[in-house]
Amino acid sequence: GEDVEQSLFLSVREGDSSVINCTYTDSSSTYLYWYKQEPGAGLQLLTYIFSNMDMKQDQRLTVLLNKKDKHLSLRIADTQTGDSAIYFCAEKISAGNNRKLIWGLGTSLAVNP
Amino acid sequence: ETGVTQSPTHLIKTRGQQVTLRCSSQSGHNTVSWYQQALGQGPQFIFQYYREEENGRGNFPPRFSGLQFPNYSSELNVNALELDDSALYLCASSWGQGEAFFGQGTRLTVV
Repeated sequence: GEDVEQSLFLSVREGDSSVINCTYTDSSSTYLYWYKQEPGAGLQLLTYIFSNMDMKQDQRLTVLLNKKDKHLSLRIADTQTGDSAIYFCAEKISAGNNRKLIWGLGTSLAVNP
Repeated sequence: ETGVTQSPTHLIKTRGQQVTLRCSSQSGHNTVSWYQQALGQGPQFIFQYYREEENGRGNFPPRFSGLQFPNYSSELNVNALELDDSALYLCASSWGQGEAFFGQGTRLTVV
């Protein structure tokens, strides 16, 4: 089946690290993505990881992928109030010529000063 | 700024009407995907167009249809609107199956 699950809410203090977790079910995923959505705005691609990688680091963002457990996480170091948003995990799956993104419901991150 | 523009930004329609949403893809991108995002939900894949042909479709009824033009811009058409069609409609463009860039979306309200 095609399903992506995330916890719905996360609250952290400014300066702390945030860790947002995601699990997926389709083992044929090729890429896994993290998108950020601020209120009333579209989706902004934060980072992505190819399915044969374990880790990717990009400035304050670290993505960890455990393919065996189908678990993906996004760590934001030194979280700032501007990081408050909804974070979506998405997996790209392919079935023949049909390629699509399957999305989680999103994790709402609240950063408290 | 992703270079993907959608119009209109907001729209109010009456149940039973038809609506057309438009998307201009980023320069050089030949693939467009459309998503529906209901309030408090993640995006749901509607369909994808590659070089003017539909090459993937999610679980949406036939009253959701689309077009892609030679300049790779795209339209999403929804007939016989229902109240549950109220959502943010997102368009994403890419070069083939590469990274997808999203527009700001069209907020459709059906009353």
